[in-house]
Amino acid sequence: AQSVSQHNHHVILSEAASLELGCNYSYGGTVNLFWYVQYPGQHLQLLLKYFSGDPLVKGIKGFEAEFIKSKFSFNLRKPSVQWSDTAEYFCAVRDSGNTPLVFGKGTRLSVIA
Amino acid sequence: DTGVSQDPRHKITKRGQNVTFRCDPISEHNRLYWYRQTLGQGPEFLTYFQNEAQLEKSRLLSDRFSAERPKGSFSTLEIQRTEQGDSAMYLCASSLVGQGNTEAFFGQGTRLTVV
Repeated sequence: AQSVSQHNHHVILSEAASLELGCNYSYGGTVNLFWYVQYPGQHLQLLLKYFSGDPLVKGIKGFEAEFIKSKFSFNLRKPSVQWSDTAEYFCAVRDSGNTPLVFGKGTRLSVIA
Repeated sequence: DTGVSQDPRHKITKRGQNVTFRCDPISEHNRLYWYRQTLGQGPEFLTYFQNEAQLEKSRLLSDRFSAERPKGSFSTLEIQRTEQGDSAMYLCASSLVGQGNTEAFFGQGTRLTVV
C-alpha cells in the first residue's frame, strides 16, 4: 500500500526565511503528487500538483515543488515565507488513475515576524 | 459558494447515538470521497463513489459506518452506535473524472465529538 512520509512535524521560521518541507512516498510506479495547505479554520486547498512532464512544478503563492523519481520525493519550497503562510501543509500521493489520495501526517508551519 | 459543502459543521453526540453527515459535491463532479482526520494526522481515506456506485471502502470503515450516494449527487455518511474513538473531522471531497488526471476539492468538514 502507498504511504507518505513528511519529515517535519512542526517548522518555525522567521519572515523572509526560505522554506523546504520534505515529502517521500513509497510506491515505485506512476504516481500523481500533490501539496495541500490548510489555513487555520479553513478547508484543504490545493497548492500544486504533479501529473507528468516537467518535474519542477509551480503553484500558487510562490510555492514550488520538485519531483525526484529516483528519491521518491516531492519536496515543497518557497524562497521567502510570509506570516500569512502560517498553516498546515499536507503532501499527498495517488496511483495514476484518479484513485483516492494517500496523505502524509502534515507539517505545521509557523512564521514569526 | 459553489464549492464542496458539508453539513453540519459541528456535531456533539453522546456515545451510542447514531449520527448522519451530508456532503454536497461540486455540481457535475462524478466522484465523491470521504476521509477522516484526527488531531496530528493527515486525512485518512474512508470510501469513495463514482456517481452512485461505491467503489472502495477502507478497512477503517467498520460495520458501524455506512455511506450512500443514492442519486449520484449528494452523499451521506452515517455512524451507528458512536464511540469516543469516532471523534474526528470528517472530510468530503469531489472531483470530475473522465478527462485525464484531475484534482480533488475538499469541503470544510464536519467535526464530530462523541462524549
